[in-house]
Amino acid sequence: DTAVSQTPKYLVTQMGNDKSIKCEQNLGHDTMYWYKQDSKKFLKIMFSYNNKELIINETVPNRFSPKSPDKAHLNLHINSLELGDSAVYFCASSRRGEDYGYTFGSGTRLTVV
Amino acid sequence: GNSVTQMEGPVTLSEEAFLTINCTYTATGYPSLFWYVQYPGEGLQLLLKATKADDKGSNKGFEATYRKETTSFHLEKGSVQVSDSAVYFCALSKTGANNLFFGTGTRLTVIP
Repeated sequence: DTAVSQTPKYLVTQMGNDKSIKCEQNLGHDTMYWYKQDSKKFLKIMFSYNNKELIINETVPNRFSPKSPDKAHLNLHINSLELGDSAVYFCASSRRGEDYGYTFGSGTRLTVV
Repeated sequence: GNSVTQMEGPVTLSEEAFLTINCTYTATGYPSLFWYVQYPGEGLQLLLKATKADDKGSNKGFEATYRKETTSFHLEKGSVQVSDSAVYFCALSKTGANNLFFGTGTRLTVIP
């Protein structure tokens, strides 16, 4: 059983399109995250949700909108995709307030052409 | 603020060589410290962690000791294998902060 699953694994799309990436965790964690990894492997947090409530919203264009229908899901919708959005996006989850680290999904490689 | 600084890569070693990847941090209070590993084409996996000063995290032959006096958490392995080739990330978190701060990652390549 996959603990944190993301779909799709690869996404190639044209500039200007709108796309979504889905994430689900079956670990019973309260908190979920989206991270962006650029071509140099640098990881930066985008959003954090705890029990469907937005906790962290870093400086991310408002074309990016997270949606958490329940605490096991955190989807990422991106409007009007731009070339600079090309990256690998990682979903992760953790227990709130505990330092056990995060469990990451395997990533979604987004390529905007 | 909170930040993590890792040694620049890439690092290339021969099999059975000794590995050190340096990591230092800046944080208020007492963060927890982590090493994550990312194998090619995969997501990040927690390798080891330490939650207080002088703790030693260890896993799969890798070790790192939380040194508060030098604000460091260097990753070491006595004898690397080809299968250890990956990108290694040092990270810190503050309890309740709901955010992991990552270093820039260090790519390790082990050659037979």
